[in-house]
Parts: sequence; structure tokens; C-alpha cells
Amino acid sequence: QQQVKQSPQSLIVQKGGISIINCAYENTAFDYFPWYQQFPGKGPALLIAIRPDVSEKKEGRFTISFNKSAKQFSLHIMDSQPGDSATYFCAASISAGNMLTFGGGTRLMVKP
Amino acid sequence: DTAVSQTPKYLVTQMGNDKSIKCEQNLGHDTMYWYKQDSKKFLKIMFSYNNKELIINETVPNRFSPKSPDKAHLNLHINSLELGDSAVYFCASSQALLGTQYFGPGTRLLVL
Repeated sequence: QQQVKQSPQSLIVQKGGISIINCAYENTAFDYFPWYQQFPGKGPALLIAIRPDVSEKKEGRFTISFNKSAKQFSLHIMDSQPGDSATYFCAASISAGNMLTFGGGTRLMVKP
Repeated sequence: DTAVSQTPKYLVTQMGNDKSIKCEQNLGHDTMYWYKQDSKKFLKIMFSYNNKELIINETVPNRFSPKSPDKAHLNLHINSLELGDSAVYFCASSQALLGTQYFGPGTRLLVL
């Protein structure tokens, strides 16, 4: 049973465009929702995270939108750059320090 | 001054062998994890280890056993390797309840 579903699997965006990746979760006990960025040959690195008491969090060009009633959250990358090309994973856990359940990943390519 | 390090980076071995992967973190964290990333990039938690408490993902075969000699190290021992064990294994660490998990660079295991 896949507890965190992520879409799309792959995404191609032009430089300067907006990249949007969506995730949906099933376990209502999840209360910590991070996004990780992974470059080829590297480990995942935390990009931005949100807790369900807020509906949006912004850090630079990256924004998480969270809809608790729909059990969905999304990552928006504004002004996408070729350097943003990577695989992005949403994740969820029950409290911040616990094991993460990852979505299936989205391979983003930003064309120059 | 790598925060989370793993050795070896690559591991090629024959079916049926026993092998170990080592992980060390110098962040002073109290919780460490092992994740498996398969060929489709799907990331799945295997274990978490906090203050000598081991939490095991029930889907992990008992051929896999984590060993923690101290708080800064969590090694992964795999008995009787199978073809399906081929994957990238990531170690991660965090400070309990504070959230951010820092991932190592991964160990690419190929079982022939």
C-alpha cells in the first residue's frame, strides 16, 4: 500500500517557468511533510518542509502548499532554472523525527 | 568534514555472500536510519535506530541486520545476498523530533 502518492513521474519545464509537483497521503497521523531534492549520484537533501498547522510555506523560489482536508500538498518552483533539474521526493512522517514515507519521485528537467 | 558518510561507495558481490555497509555521522544526532532506493528510484525506509531502540520496517527480510556500536555509527549487515538486493542504500541521521534527516551519499550494491 503506497501511503504517499506523487505525480507526475516526470516533468519538463522551460527555463523561467513554474514547476508543480503534487502529493497525496492517506495516513491522517502524518504531521510533517518535507520535500527532498536528489541529484544523480547523490543522496537526497532537504529542500523545504511544512507542518499541517499552516497552509503555505515559502523559501526563496520554492513554495509548499498544503491542503489538510484534501490530504494533499504540492511543491511549486518559481522561475525554474536548469540547475533545478533533479529528482524531487515528497515525504511524510508521524512527527518530525520519525521514519519518512516517500512518494515515488518526480524527475524534473528544466530546459534552457 | 562530511556530515554523513558511508563506505564503501560501490559494492559488487556474488549471490549468497555476506556483506556490510558502514555509516558514520558527525552531527551529534541521536537517530540514524537506513533506506533502500531501487532501480525505479523508489525510496523505502528499512530501519531507524534511536538510543538503542531499533524500529524495523516489517517488510525487510531478516537477512538484513543493523548494528550500532555507538551513537555515531549504524552499520548494515546483509546475509546471503540475493539478486533483488541490488539497489542504492542510504544512511541518514536526525536529531529526534527536530525533523531534518541528513542523508549520506549512498552505497551502490550490485549482486551478480
